[in-house]
Amino acid sequence: NAGVTQTPKFRILKIGQSMTLQCAQDMNHNYMYWYRQDPGMGLKLIYYSVGAGITDKGEVPNGYNVSRSTTEDFPLRLELAAPSQTSVYFCASSPRGVDEQYFGPGTRLTVT
Amino acid sequence: AQSVAQPEDQVNVAEGNPLTVKCTYSVSGNPYLFWYVQYPNRGLQFLLKYITGDNLVKGSYGFEAEFNKSQTSFHLKKPSALVSDSALYFCAVRDINSGNTPLVFGKGTRLSVIA
Repeated sequence: NAGVTQTPKFRILKIGQSMTLQCAQDMNHNYMYWYRQDPGMGLKLIYYSVGAGITDKGEVPNGYNVSRSTTEDFPLRLELAAPSQTSVYFCASSPRGVDEQYFGPGTRLTVT
Repeated sequence: AQSVAQPEDQVNVAEGNPLTVKCTYSVSGNPYLFWYVQYPNRGLQFLLKYITGDNLVKGSYGFEAEFNKSQTSFHLKKPSALVSDSALYFCAVRDINSGNTPLVFGKGTRLSVIA
């Protein structure tokens, strides 16, 4: 099993550009999550999904969009990138909401 | 509402000494509690969890945590610290009766084990 994979590992965006962060898992997990991690701020939940076709907002959804057309994939879309979106983004998955989450290696995004 | 607090930003301990990383939580019902570890430039890795049962939970790499309902705490412990334990540690909580509500993570505690 590859577990949770994320692409790209690093990206530099100019203000106003858009991009999609990819996340895939091969464990057949129903739940998937997107977090951002800022220094000294811990993890903040952006969006999550409890199954294909179902998504819900987390703590900090503004400026982001997600879709979940398959169980395996959970892409995160940034529209009109802003410097405040400079962060490290982690995708995670779990079989159920009460189970431990498996994290991907992260995407380091810089918006300048 | 559910919340979790890690009162220490940084914990320093000498190699071979016991270590404790503190976590307190707040939920309206009963909690599910988790500890994760993050090594530099890596994603979080699951260490251990408390769902129900024995208050002392044993996890990966020799770590354990004690659930204390009266003090609403779930401190992470290890009898003898290793330099390789140096990392960022996160506590997380979820109310058993919160439906699909995801975990809430603490801000993290940086553990530094000095040789």
